[in-house]
Amino acid sequence: DAKTTQPPSMDCAEGRAANLPCNHSTISGNEYVYWYRQIHSQGPQYIIHGLKNNETNEMASLIITEDRKSSTLILPHATLRDTAVYYCIVRVWSYGGSQGNLIFGKGTKLSVKP
Amino acid sequence: EPEVTQTPSHQVTQMGQEVILRCVPISNHLYFYWYRQILGQKVEFLVSFYNNEISEKSEIFDDQFSVERPDGSNFTLKIRSTKLEDSAMYFCASKRSGQETQYFGPGTRLLVL
Repeated sequence: DAKTTQPPSMDCAEGRAANLPCNHSTISGNEYVYWYRQIHSQGPQYIIHGLKNNETNEMASLIITEDRKSSTLILPHATLRDTAVYYCIVRVWSYGGSQGNLIFGKGTKLSVKP
Repeated sequence: EPEVTQTPSHQVTQMGQEVILRCVPISNHLYFYWYRQILGQKVEFLVSFYNNEISEKSEIFDDQFSVERPDGSNFTLKIRSTKLEDSAMYFCASKRSGQETQYFGPGTRLLVL
């Protein structure tokens, strides 16, 4: 699985958009970009994933550059409860097969401030 | 909304003792995982389990570890003879067939003294 690079920490004002970047310059054509987050000491929580098109769900938007070498997770209106470590993970879709373990990096610690 | 549950939430044990960590995955999920997170470090994959057998395991998952799905609802992680360095948060996760999202439990904090 391709390696990802994320800034170690970011701050965001409550109510503003939080834009979390991820660099995955060695991504291959069949690898998806996944985002999970971990609120202090809790289990990781899935946020969103995408291949090449931008994606949006009730939690966030994912913007993937045309060359797929980087992506940005956008939390449109960050709240204090969004304070967490955000992980960008690149991996091949497992097609429901027996594989599918996630390789977590150090992530970005997002602090949302009032 | 269905959730993965784990018991106990905290466990303290003496070095060399056996511990069993329990997980109840989401009921229609078929793929099960254990991860661990040593304090202040990354979440690390331990093992995945499907169709009553181990699918993949990391090098952390040595002979001291075993997993079992004893009764069709529980999924357990056993550490036979705990070491100080096994102190960590242990997370169970599960996912449905055909989907990619893994759902994590709240974790068991294991402290080995």
